[in-house]
Amino acid sequence: ELKVEQNPLFLSMQEGKNYTIYCNYSTTSDRLYWYRQDPGKSLESLFVLLSNGAVKQEGRLMASLDTKARLSTLHITAAVHDLSATYFCAVGQYGGATNKLIFGTGTLLAVQP
Amino acid sequence: NAGVTQTPKFRILKIGQSMTLQCAQDMNHNYMYWYRQDPGMGLKLIYYSVGAGITDKGEVPNGYNVSRSTTEDFPLRLELAAPSQTSVYFCASSYSTGLNEKLFFGSGTQLSVL
Repeated sequence: ELKVEQNPLFLSMQEGKNYTIYCNYSTTSDRLYWYRQDPGKSLESLFVLLSNGAVKQEGRLMASLDTKARLSTLHITAAVHDLSATYFCAVGQYGGATNKLIFGTGTLLAVQP
Repeated sequence: NAGVTQTPKFRILKIGQSMTLQCAQDMNHNYMYWYRQDPGMGLKLIYYSVGAGITDKGEVPNGYNVSRSTTEDFPLRLELAAPSQTSVYFCASSYSTGLNEKLFFGSGTQLSVL
């Protein structure tokens, strides 16, 4: 059974600082997704990582994937208040008629001025 | 461009009542999903569908039923509502499992069972 774990669950950081959110998963997968959720809102897709060593960057966020270690990271550079949200990673489980994403528990990021 | 539309946005049910959460997408997506999100938690997959007439269980299917008679619609039925089903429900869709595929989410239905 595929399990997805994120840490930390809660992250309070100051503007201008750097930090990394970690996403570990338990079984082989070559697809990993990062989503953002603002309070009371739906989920917004940030990144899709499809191969070992994949790195994608958008603004102050950079995501990477190590399929051998079953680990993805979301790195935040010089945080700003607008990045405050909950970030979820999700791992794709595909095969035959199976097609689903299993989500991590999320990391609540609070960026303090 | 509507995307994924969920109705209702909010609902309060009494224990034992039943209801159907509606989900429709206008993107001609084959794959549709129902997730629930408990307060402060991640999303759990309830049911999913890979096309009209085909559905399958996810991680937490007990107490729910789904049907997929058309490509556009994927309703979620709650029979005999229980307090444990208090949650926010998200419907999502995707075209396929192809490269760079991602899920498009609806705005959610907040359900309270009292």
